[in-house]
Amino acid sequence: QVVLTQSPSASASLGASVKLTCTLSSGHNHYAITWHQQQPEKGPRYLMKLDSDGSHTKGDGIPDRFSGSSSGAERYLTISSLQFEDEADYYCQTWGRGLYVFGPGTNVTVL
Amino acid sequence: EVQLLDSGGGLIQPGGSLRLSCVTSGFTFSRHAMSWVRQAPGKGLEWVSGISGSDDSTYYSDSVKGRFTISRDNSRNTLYLQMNSLRVEDTAVYYCAKDRGSSSYDGLDVWGQGTTVTVSS
Repeated sequence: QVVLTQSPSASASLGASVKLTCTLSSGHNHYAITWHQQQPEKGPRYLMKLDSDGSHTKGDGIPDRFSGSSSGAERYLTISSLQFEDEADYYCQTWGRGLYVFGPGTNVTVL
Repeated sequence: EVQLLDSGGGLIQPGGSLRLSCVTSGFTFSRHAMSWVRQAPGKGLEWVSGISGSDDSTYYSDSVKGRFTISRDNSRNTLYLQMNSLRVEDTAVYYCAKDRGSSSYDGLDVWGQGTTVTVSS
């Protein structure tokens, strides 16, 4: 079964950029993932699907400041021009044979 | 506009049963896999159960297998989760979620607003 690993926290200053990493377990380098944002006291929101080649498909209304990229077993979410509203938990998610898996999430703080 | 409306949560004693519903609109419900995902207080997201859009195959996490049953009524565009033998550790906000793929799996892309289940004596 695939396992996703994420750092528990990240921070950056207002207007700066932050790059979050989601790492796929060994043998699963080819898996696509999705990224989801969960702001405090709100439900999750889909950000994008990210393929192993780095191509990504964003959800409706997701700002251009959010982008994705891939390298080997790692999937990245980069948030540019950080805004206070970007303070949230960010989860990666993948799937296989009907089963879905979430990473533990990364909490982003805007300084 | 795609919408998912969760309901059915509440306060229930350990060992009790509850049925969650998710009424959907704005997409061809019968063609998409659907899932239930939960979030215990202060914890991350945990996938609970899923049902395919092609052959109604069902899948469960080990934590709920044998106690929860997922089903769908394509005529009503509604997803269900029957939860039996509830435990204190099942306390969470439960979200229904839609898969991106049509007749295939392609990641979750739409979420319901969530319904709260509290298991306590």
